[in-house]
Amino acid sequence: LAKTTQPISMDSYEGQEVNITCSHNNIATNDYITWYQQFPSQGPRFIIQGYKTKVTNEVASLFIPADRKSSTLSLPRVSLSDTAVYYCLVGDRANDYKLSFGAGTTVTVRA
Amino acid sequence: GAVVSQHPSWVICKSGTSVKIECRSLDFQATTMFWYRQFPKQSLMLMATSNEGSKATYEQGVEKDKFLINHASLTLSTLTVTSAHPEDSSFYICSARTGLAGASSYNEQFFGPGTRLTVL
Repeated sequence: LAKTTQPISMDSYEGQEVNITCSHNNIATNDYITWYQQFPSQGPRFIIQGYKTKVTNEVASLFIPADRKSSTLSLPRVSLSDTAVYYCLVGDRANDYKLSFGAGTTVTVRA
Repeated sequence: GAVVSQHPSWVICKSGTSVKIECRSLDFQATTMFWYRQFPKQSLMLMATSNEGSKATYEQGVEKDKFLINHASLTLSTLTVTSAHPEDSSFYICSARTGLAGASSYNEQFFGPGTRLTVL
């Protein structure tokens, strides 16, 4: 099971770009990288998923270098409502893609 | 699309009673659903994997006789906490997988809003 490592917390201000880097040194060839957002007392919400290079959607971008041993979630121009816990997960094909949640990164956006 | 609901959203019960939590995929069929538990200030812990029409697979350390899981249809899975005790108080979250094996979306999971269980 590929383990992920990400910072415990990050602080930012409204309007800034937030970049959260996740390490997954043991990622397997067929594994995908997925990021979720969770607000208190809510279920996680899917943000973005990627395999390699760059993926962008309406809320975030995901940068994955060629070796795929890390990935960076980029949140452009954050607002107070982006304060949440962000989880980086690697899909474990060998384990039928069960998700193993780490501690996540608590992002706090201040005015 | 890909909406998952849970019912109830919160429940308070007395110690020794059983509580059933429902997880439904509203706009898709889910061959696999997952049940997680989350204690305050902690991350999600996978409890079990539920496949439609077969017995659930429990993670190590999770008592299968205490946490009964039934996945009778492609849109409904239930978790029953039997003889609940205060230490079972937690936030229970389900997720459902949308894609078919072999598809690029197979590993996408969509989560329900969670059920807060408080055992007195």
